[in-house]
Amino acid sequence: DAGVTQSPTHLIKTRGQQVTLRCSPKSGHDTVSWYQQALGQGPQFIFQYYEEEERQRGNFPDRFSGHQFPNYSSELNVNALLLGDSALYLCASSPVLTSTDTQYFGPGTRLTVL
Amino acid sequence: QQQVKQSPQSLIVQKGGISIINCAYENTAFDYFPWYQQFPGKGPALLIAIRPDVSEKKEGRFTISFNKSAKQFSLHIMDSQPGDSATYFCAARDNYGQNFVFGPGTRLSVLP
Repeated sequence: DAGVTQSPTHLIKTRGQQVTLRCSPKSGHDTVSWYQQALGQGPQFIFQYYEEEERQRGNFPDRFSGHQFPNYSSELNVNALLLGDSALYLCASSPVLTSTDTQYFGPGTRLTVL
Repeated sequence: QQQVKQSPQSLIVQKGGISIINCAYENTAFDYFPWYQQFPGKGPALLIAIRPDVSEKKEGRFTISFNKSAKQFSLHIMDSQPGDSATYFCAARDNYGQNFVFGPGTRLSVLP
């Protein structure tokens, strides 16, 4: 049973560019959350998707947007990249919206903004 | 009020020793307190978790102690092993939003 998968593994962009990160949840999971983990810090909640809608959002600007597809996979889009957006972006999935106890994280996408 | 504080920032323990990591929170709406273990290049993995109606939970060498009145909880790793060397994050989930607030992490090094 494949766990949470994310692509790409690493990505290098320059300031002002746009980036799209992808996530496939664990089989049987329909809720996807995205986190940003800056170097040496804990993950920070960006937003959560369920039934193709954004359900919760953390303290991130509108430059961060997402999407969930009918097969529960998800994308994270970041526009107008800033140097401070350099981080590990983690995707986490859980079985149902109201049961995030069993939240599984993917390996992350390392984004470097030059 | 959404912050979770964690200490120490780093910890060095001899093999066989006890590792203790402490966390504190302010938001009384938090209803679930997991600990995650993260190895370099990997995503965080759930290690053990506790709810506020329980004061202690033990799973193998890992124990969570929870003090609801003090709004503090801690992770104890008994008989620490070099393979336990990783970064540990405490977290808290609010009972409304179902999203998690993480502490800043503790880098544990267990010396052989």
